[in-house]
Amino acid sequence: ETGVTQTPRHLVMGMTNKKSLKCEQHLGHNAMYWYKQSAKKPLELMFVYNFKEQTENNSVPSRFSPECPNSSHLFLHLHTLQPEDSALYLCASSQDNTGSGANVLTFGAGSRLTVL
Amino acid sequence: GQNIDQPTEMTATEGAIVQINCTYQTSGFNGLFWYQQHAGEAPTFLSYNVLDGLEEKGRFSSFLSRSKGYSYLLLKELQMKDSASYLCAIMDSNYQLIWGAGTKLIIKP
Repeated sequence: ETGVTQTPRHLVMGMTNKKSLKCEQHLGHNAMYWYKQSAKKPLELMFVYNFKEQTENNSVPSRFSPECPNSSHLFLHLHTLQPEDSALYLCASSQDNTGSGANVLTFGAGSRLTVL
Repeated sequence: GQNIDQPTEMTATEGAIVQINCTYQTSGFNGLFWYQQHAGEAPTFLSYNVLDGLEEKGRFSSFLSRSKGYSYLLLKELQMKDSASYLCAIMDSNYQLIWGAGTKLIIKP
């Protein structure tokens, strides 16, 4: 496989469930990102990992918990979510996140989350 | 504050030309990106501008004026497959990406 792969593509969960989203990149990139995409809203950056170290946490509620075991894999653990958390969750990777201007992101197709 | 404005939706005809505008006010500037996102798919990189002027890449061109805080994406010889959302993003002084809400482009035969 090439590019950025996200699983599952669709997830329905109740507010008391615990689930995880998985992201895998085969590009040799060193930075990985979680974004939230809601209809007609700008992409919201949630977390950034650079060389497996978390470098950004944009005031995300603790019910979202990221994990980056290595530079190829990224997880988003979900627990006690709210209906307003329903959205498309996009994973992305880039060469690194060290301040280069042309830092092109490669995105996965996203995990569509519905919280009942 | 930081702000990026794009039209919410545009409609154009197959074979025609369409220009999608993006205006911005950000804390610093380290480049402007355009991404294309088909429904249900990943956003994909189209272009990057850091200097003023026009960058041409096949049927797509991207223009930047830093003094005016303005960019546009120009799509020529429109095809049905160009129906998608087009996302404008600015890299600010901290090298963080600030995203617009995207422009949904509808192509009609």
